[in-house]
Amino acid sequence: DSGVTQTPKHLITATGQRVTLRCSPRSGDLSVYWYQQSLDQGLQFLIQYYNGEERAKGNILERFSAQQFPDLHSELNLSSLELGDSALYFCASTTGGGARPDTQYFGPGTRLTVL
Amino acid sequence: AQSVAQPEDQVNVAEGNPLTVKCTYSVSGNPYLFWYVQYPNRGLQFLLKYITGDNLVKGSYGFEAEFNKSQTSFHLKKPSALVSDSALYFCAVRSNQAGTALIFGKGTTLSVSS
Repeated sequence: DSGVTQTPKHLITATGQRVTLRCSPRSGDLSVYWYQQSLDQGLQFLIQYYNGEERAKGNILERFSAQQFPDLHSELNLSSLELGDSALYFCASTTGGGARPDTQYFGPGTRLTVL
Repeated sequence: AQSVAQPEDQVNVAEGNPLTVKCTYSVSGNPYLFWYVQYPNRGLQFLLKYITGDNLVKGSYGFEAEFNKSQTSFHLKKPSALVSDSALYFCAVRSNQAGTALIFGKGTTLSVSS
């Protein structure tokens, strides 16, 4: 158990809908990273937050957004869902903001299925 | 651009034999290299990382990896494979110069037969 929690474990929804994925980092960690894992794209970095502020952006679609709250949990919002958004979404957390090569500890993931 | 290549989609070994899972990378600056393992329906578990120093890095569950700067490789090894090592293995890299996120390879499925 990495100490990173994600809810829900599974999410099934329809095209055009909006969903919110939640991540709680390890105790003491200030950074949260979001990744998408799909069969065709592999594991891709979406976005990073550090202590409430956006720190880095990857291949995140404009339909997707994220935020980190004062208690350091993070939410990833996916809107206008398409079939291709079906994937496993992971969050990971680290102590620092990324200047040091801290190990990223991953949560168990949320499996999103868009029908 | 940063990238990671895992040239083998699948590696098959017999229990008790040594195993190697290959990884090569391309980054600007010095690399930080990581190996993670993913079991079915589970998240990624950290195995080991190379930051600097000794080229041979020891990690969890008896795994080790050798950093080779001239060959830009970071192969994962274990002297004696276990059936329970069967899983999906990911190599990842980030640069010390650009970005904070990990760039992952496509993964290698390790299958250990009894």
